[in-house]
Amino acid sequence: KQEVTQIPAALSVPEGENLVLNCSFTDSAIYNLQWFRQDPGKGLTSLLLIQSSQREQTSGRLNASLDKSSGRSTLYIAASQPGDSATYLCATPNQAGTALIFGKGTTLSVSS
Amino acid sequence: DTAVSQTPKYLVTQMGNDKSIKCEQNLGHDTMYWYKQDSKKFLKIMFSYNNKELIINETVPNRFSPKSPDKAHLNLHINSLELGDSAVYFCASSLFTDTQYFGPGTRLTVL
Repeated sequence: KQEVTQIPAALSVPEGENLVLNCSFTDSAIYNLQWFRQDPGKGLTSLLLIQSSQREQTSGRLNASLDKSSGRSTLYIAASQPGDSATYLCATPNQAGTALIFGKGTTLSVSS
Repeated sequence: DTAVSQTPKYLVTQMGNDKSIKCEQNLGHDTMYWYKQDSKKFLKIMFSYNNKELIINETVPNRFSPKSPDKAHLNLHINSLELGDSAVYFCASSLFTDTQYFGPGTRLTVL
């Protein structure tokens, strides 16, 4: 059964720093891997989806990579800003593709 | 123009009551979901519907009954509410395994 882990649970950085958020999964036979952002009291916003056949995806200051063989994905945030403060969640569909399995998230705080 | 909408946003009720949460998506997706986010912020799937057919029911008490009147709507009815049902419930939709789009959530508080 697929399990998704995110380390660290929380991260604090000063504004302007580049940072990496980690996500690992136990079953490498995945359809894709998705990164979401959740602001306090809000819903989830999709950031990036990397298909199983891809190695990375980029959107603005965000870059997500995928290494299926090692069961890892990373989300790289360049030149962090206070507005990036949020909880970042990674998720991958279950074996049947019928639902997402989520990690517990990394709560990022960027100080000005 | 909201993609996935849920009503109500907040729901406060007494133990033992019955309540419903509604969800609608205007993205033309074929699959809709209900997720539960507990007090520790962990998100877990409850139900998945594909083209109005139930395709997953993850060990959810049968007090929870989803209903999909059409592909754009997935409602969640909860009978005999218990304290442990307090959580945030999210609706989502997608084209099968493609990107899932989430609603704003419904915060349920059972007193």
